[in-house]
This record gives sequence, C-alpha cells and structure tokens, in this order.
Amino acid sequence: GDSVTQMEGPVTLSEEAFLTINCTYTATGYPSLFWYVQYPGEGLQLLLKATKADDKGSNKGFEATYRKETTSFHLEKGSVQVSDSAVYFCALSPTDYGGATNKLIFGTGTLLAVQP
Amino acid sequence: DAGVTQSPTHLIKTRGQQVTLRCSPKSGHDTVSWYQQALGQGPQFIFQYYEEEERQRGNFPDRFSGHQFPNYSSELNVNALLLGDSALYLCASSLAVEWDNSPLHFGNGTRLTVT
Repeated sequence: GDSVTQMEGPVTLSEEAFLTINCTYTATGYPSLFWYVQYPGEGLQLLLKATKADDKGSNKGFEATYRKETTSFHLEKGSVQVSDSAVYFCALSPTDYGGATNKLIFGTGTLLAVQP
Repeated sequence: DAGVTQSPTHLIKTRGQQVTLRCSPKSGHDTVSWYQQALGQGPQFIFQYYEEEERQRGNFPDRFSGHQFPNYSSELNVNALLLGDSALYLCASSLAVEWDNSPLHFGNGTRLTVT
C-alpha cells in the first residue's frame, strides 16, 4: 500500500543553520505531497504542498520539490530560527479512479530542535 | 472565522468503557475526517464523513464508529476501549468541492488516556 518514510529525529541545529529533512514515498498513481508542522500542544498546520511532479511548494522560507523519479519530497530551509522548533510530518494524499481522495497518509514525523 | 474545534481536550477512561469525541468543522466546510495519533507516531486515518455518511475508512476495527450531523459536526465513538486506544485523536475538515486543492484543516485534538 501507499506509505511515507521520513528521516528519524531529533534533528538539532543552531540558529541560521541549513535544514534538510528527507522524505520518500511509495504510491500508485499521482499522489499530492504535503509537509505539515505540529507545534507543542497544537494540531497540525499545513506548511506547503505540491500536486504534481516537478512542482515546488514553498512557505515561510521552507521549500520542497516533488521528485517523481526519486519518489522524494525533501524539506529544506536556508536559515532556521528558534521559532521553527516543532515536529514536521511528510504526507501524501492518494488518488484513485475517482480522483483526489482527500485523505492523508503520514510519515512518523521528525522533531526539529533549533538552539539559539 | 472559527477553525476546527474539538471537545473535550483531555479524557481519561478505563478499559472496556465507551467514549465519544466531538468535532465542529471550520466554518463553511462540509467534510470531516478523523485521525488517531499515537505517541511519537504520525496520524493514521480512521474514517471520513460527508453528507452524513461514512465515505472512506482506514484499517480500524468496528469498535470505531462515527456520525455526522446535518450541521456538519461529527462524533467519533470508540467501544470496548483497549489500552492501545490511548492516543491523540485529531479531527480535520475540508470542503468537498475543493478536494483537489483544499488542504485539510486540523483541530488541536482530544488526548484520550485509557487506564
């Protein structure tokens, strides 16, 4: 079945460091890909998305490119801040013969801790 | 504009009991999905309700059931609780006509502890 694999954490970085969180997926068809962020005590918030191959999603300095050839959707940010500390989830939304399914399959999450 | 609201925020139950969790979708949304997030794991899809019917279901036993009301709010019911049902239960809403482009909006969840 469809699945998402992302790098295990925690990832600990100093402020202004470069961030990469790896995400690969297995899916049939043409899924949409997402990154969600979960701050302590809160629900999930959409960070960015990409709906087709070679699309680049971006938001708040974060970027990820939908790579169908490598089935990857790695999250990057050039300069992290302490306020970026959170758990990041990579997810896919499968498609079926009816089109978009509007459900999400998540990875296990990666905890990012940014130190001043 | 109210987002997705869930109640209660925390709940403690005993094995074998039954529990009901509630969700009000974001204003204007008509579809509600429920997810279970065990500690240290990603959320897992339980089921989705649209037009008061269960439209999709994940790999969860029949002990998990739900309901959607005419005002689009929803309930998740879990019978015969097991210790393994302890988790954060997340509700997410969306608009059916925008499934291709509309992201899910999540509530802050209900933390269920089964003792």
